[in-house]
Amino acid sequence: AQKVTQAQTEISVVEKEDVTLDCVYETRDTTYYLFWYKQPPSGELVFLIRRNSFDEQNEISGRYSWNFQKSTSSFNFTITASQVVDSAVYFCALSEASPPDYKLSFGAGTTVTVRA
Amino acid sequence: DSGVTQTPKHLITATGQRVTLRCSPRSGDLSVYWYQQSLDQGLQFLIQYYNGEERAKGNILERFSAQQFPDLHSELNLSSLELGDSALYFCASKTGVTGELFFGEGSRLTVL
Repeated sequence: AQKVTQAQTEISVVEKEDVTLDCVYETRDTTYYLFWYKQPPSGELVFLIRRNSFDEQNEISGRYSWNFQKSTSSFNFTITASQVVDSAVYFCALSEASPPDYKLSFGAGTTVTVRA
Repeated sequence: DSGVTQTPKHLITATGQRVTLRCSPRSGDLSVYWYQQSLDQGLQFLIQYYNGEERAKGNILERFSAQQFPDLHSELNLSSLELGDSALYFCASKTGVTGELFFGEGSRLTVL
């Protein structure tokens, strides 16, 4: 069974500070997919990034960056120079490449509050 | 805008009642997923359909059922509602076999 753990329940920072969200996953599959989603106060779930298990290249996109380390089963997410608009709940998710469903299993989420 | 449309956005009903939540996936997406988000259970996978056929079941109660129609829209039926069914119900669709899920804005159900 797949499992995603986000140990941090809440993080509160002042604007312009960096925020790193931890995600640790468990899976028996050798091929799998990792995701980060953002849920702002308005409630919708917004897709941020997807990573394949065979691609450990880390990525930077604007103020967002991701650190995927297969050896430690971690897929961490960093917001650089945080802004108030980054306040949201962030979910890490895992999908195993086992047919027929490829469903996503989500972590419990980390609530990020950025104070002005 | 994810392209996934869910109606209604908000629904208030009483215990014992039945409601239907509707979802239209993104154009071209054949897979539809239903998730329930509650404060105590987090985001829980309920059920998945692919091109009209049920593909996978998660933690879906027997009082709940779903279907996907030929035009690919999906409906989630919740019956004999209990207070604990109050939650945000998300529909998502996916492009291809292993792509990411794109979620609708959710239907917030309140059972009084």
